[in-house]
Amino acid sequence: QQQVKQSPQSLIVQKGGISIINCAYENTAFDYFPWYQQFPGKGPALLIAIRPDVSEKKEGRFTISFNKSAKQFSLHIMDSQPGDSATYFCAASINAGNNRKLIWGLGTSLAVNP
Amino acid sequence: KAGVTQTPRYLIKTRGQQVTLSCSPISGHRSVSWYQQTPGQGLQFLFEYFSETQRNKGNFPGRFSGRQFSNSRSEMNVSTLELGDSALYLCASRDSNGYEQYFGPGTRLTVT
Repeated sequence: QQQVKQSPQSLIVQKGGISIINCAYENTAFDYFPWYQQFPGKGPALLIAIRPDVSEKKEGRFTISFNKSAKQFSLHIMDSQPGDSATYFCAASINAGNNRKLIWGLGTSLAVNP
Repeated sequence: KAGVTQTPRYLIKTRGQQVTLSCSPISGHRSVSWYQQTPGQGLQFLFEYFSETQRNKGNFPGRFSGRQFSNSRSEMNVSTLELGDSALYLCASRDSNGYEQYFGPGTRLTVT
């Protein structure tokens, strides 16, 4: 029940296309859903995040779509660029007795072809 | 503010040895978490320390241990290294009320 399932494992998109990465969860107590971006040789960095009372959040070319009833959320990268090539992790946060935990998806390796 | 720093950045050890990795969190952050990252396995949570106390622990053997000092700096120790311990070890810090974790660049450990 604490898992976050992420798909696909890898994704290849042409420059200018839309990249879509999906995540699903079971525990309705999760209350914060961040996406992290990781470039080779670097640690993950927060990209965008959403709370479950919002169905969509957009920051530039990056959009999170959140479906509370389906317990799914997805990252959309519009007009994908070669510089977006990275590994993307979704996560879900839960407050367990004044102890906040972060549960991670397994990651998606995105390659954007020029 | 300076970001999360980790030392060393690269390390090569021999099977059976032990290793200590260090992490300095963002100033003011009292929570430090450690992760192991290997290809195809995502981010495997090791443990979290908050105010010098281990607050959460992942499913790793007792060879993996950590501690946190009063200045919030943290160290992670792996004893009796195995080939399978070769990985990128990431440290992340968070402030007391924050949701976001801020990662360091990681320590690349190679066990031969």
